[in-house]
Amino acid sequence: SQQGEEDPQALSIQEGENATMNCSYKTSINNLQWYRQNSGRGLVHLILIRSNEREKHSGRLRVTLDTSKKSSSLLITASRAADTASYFCATDGGGITGGGNKLTFGTGTQLKVEL
Amino acid sequence: KAGVTQTPRYLIKTRGQQVTLSCSPISGHRSVSWYQQTPGQGLQFLFEYFSETQRNKGNFPGRFSGRQFSNSRSEMNVSTLELGDSALYLCASKGSGGGGYGYTFGSGTRLTVV
Repeated sequence: SQQGEEDPQALSIQEGENATMNCSYKTSINNLQWYRQNSGRGLVHLILIRSNEREKHSGRLRVTLDTSKKSSSLLITASRAADTASYFCATDGGGITGGGNKLTFGTGTQLKVEL
Repeated sequence: KAGVTQTPRYLIKTRGQQVTLSCSPISGHRSVSWYQQTPGQGLQFLFEYFSETQRNKGNFPGRFSGRQFSNSRSEMNVSTLELGDSALYLCASKGSGGGGYGYTFGSGTRLTVV
């Protein structure tokens, strides 16, 4: 089963605007990661935030993590048409449940950036 | 550095048949995990192999199995295919060294069961 929900399910914005996606999860985590997927292809790792971090930046990406609320948000600033994709959060609980690597994904947000 | 390679890219099978999918991880990565993606269930974890041993298994029936070879390449097998097994199957590799790294995914194998 999936870890949690992402909202919104779909988001349509104009090029140059900012896009914010939210993710909630259910269990304790080692870290939380965000991935992008273009048109049903493979997932591309965007950014990872550890459970003891609150905010992280990478280029036009900003991720926040609130472990007390079990939630995270991904902000893409100055969006471009090329950012059109599905975005997934994933929690990595490896080590907590006895070892091994296992990602538990959210439901995803479909982002469309229009010219 | 070559990425994660999955073969074949597309596959069409008939109900009741079996299928084997292959995944070659990034050189040096010993962890390979498999995921199933469907419109209804989203991305679901199947299993993970590390140094030829299955370390984690998701909630899938026994028809889904896998293995890993000494060169870290992995295969997953689905027997007695059902229509509901139609999905994008993704594999991911991960290096060792703690939990501070993301996973590298292959482009996936699109399986259609007819």
